[in-house]
Amino acid sequence: GQNIDQPTEMTATEGAIVQINCTYQTSGFNGLFWYQQHAGEAPTFLSYNVLDGLEEKGRFSSFLSRSKGYSYLLLKELQMKDSASYLCAVRGNSNYQLIWGAGTKLIIKP
Amino acid sequence: GAVVSQHPSWVICKSGTSVKIECRSLDFQATTMFWYRQFPKQSLMLMATSNEGSKATYEQGVEKDKFLINHASLTLSTLTVTSAHPEDSSFYICSARDLGGEETQYFGPGTRLLVL
Repeated sequence: GQNIDQPTEMTATEGAIVQINCTYQTSGFNGLFWYQQHAGEAPTFLSYNVLDGLEEKGRFSSFLSRSKGYSYLLLKELQMKDSASYLCAVRGNSNYQLIWGAGTKLIIKP
Repeated sequence: GAVVSQHPSWVICKSGTSVKIECRSLDFQATTMFWYRQFPKQSLMLMATSNEGSKATYEQGVEKDKFLINHASLTLSTLTVTSAHPEDSSFYICSARDLGGEETQYFGPGTRLLVL
């Protein structure tokens, strides 16, 4: 079957760094996405990886290892507004659909 | 990033009525749009894939006669919840696939449906 795993919840301190991991097992791979979702709002796109390596976008970076079926989202200089759920999603083979993880709720403490 | 709008953002209706939700891609054309449902504190659940000019593809367990999808143009898809019941109360979110670049899915702001 197809499966995406990420931790349910993480806690970090304002100003620190946090890494959210995602492992996947899918039939086919055509890219991995990270989205941020604040409570009560729709997801917003953060990053896209299709090749191995690190993609950096400001305070956020995303890493992919296709051979390991593994990705992480790295958030630096954490701010209170970063408290949200972070969703990992993989585009497999069919119909451009995304296979979604359950999301990681990130709690930032002062 | 690309902009997707949804209308209405909030709906409260009586049981048995039908509710139409519109999803528009504002600055790009979307041959494919997706409709999701999300219950509180749960993950996104894909309901159907909407393809411009053809019938939608529904996920297993989603009733196509209950959730009518029309994708009449490259910028508009509609979801109609027919004969809504309280158990249909949820957060409905659409996304549109941008054909350019990474073919990212961009989400609309969502529609909260409350059926009394």
